[in-house]
Amino acid sequence: KQEVTQIPAALSVPEGENLVLNCSFTDSAIYNLQWFRQDPGKGLTSLLLIQSSQREQTSGRLNASLDKSSGRSTLYIAASQPGDSATYLCAAAGSYNTDKLIFGTGTRLQVFP
Amino acid sequence: DGGITQSPKYLFRKEGQNVTLSCEQNLNHDAMYWYRQDPGQGLRLIYYSQIVNDFQKGDIAEGYSVSREKKESFPLTVTSAQKNPTAFYLCASSPPGTGAGTHEKLFFGSGTQLSVL
Repeated sequence: KQEVTQIPAALSVPEGENLVLNCSFTDSAIYNLQWFRQDPGKGLTSLLLIQSSQREQTSGRLNASLDKSSGRSTLYIAASQPGDSATYLCAAAGSYNTDKLIFGTGTRLQVFP
Repeated sequence: DGGITQSPKYLFRKEGQNVTLSCEQNLNHDAMYWYRQDPGQGLRLIYYSQIVNDFQKGDIAEGYSVSREKKESFPLTVTSAQKNPTAFYLCASSPPGTGAGTHEKLFFGSGTQLSVL
């Protein structure tokens, strides 16, 4: 059974720092992995999607990497801003049932001025 | 504007009552999903539908029911059999994938917070 873990659960950094959020999964047979952002009391916004054949995806100041052999994905945020403050969740889609995403519990990020 | 609309934003349920959460999308997506989010936990899949008039149970379907009579709509009913319904409910949709799987980027609504009176 796939399990997805995110560490740390919470992170507080000063504006301008580069930071890395971690996502670990137990079953390397994944179809893809997505990173989402969630603002308090809101739905999720998909940030990046990495297919199992890819190693990384980039969008603006965000870069996500995928290492299936080690069961890890990282989300790198460059030059963090207060507007980046939110909860970031990763989710893995299994190769056998791609309709089921398994979500991590998220990392709550606060970027202070 | 294209998107997913969930209503109401807040909903209160009395004991023994069934309540229905609405989810409408105008993105022309085939697949729709219902997730439940509890504080400090990841999202858990309740039901999903890949096509009109068809749906499958997710990991925590007990106490819930759905219908998919129209492509645009995927309402979720929380029945009286669900003994712990207080949670944040999220509806999502996705376009067809290009590969073997059907799962691509998910688009989420803004959620419904359900509480028990």
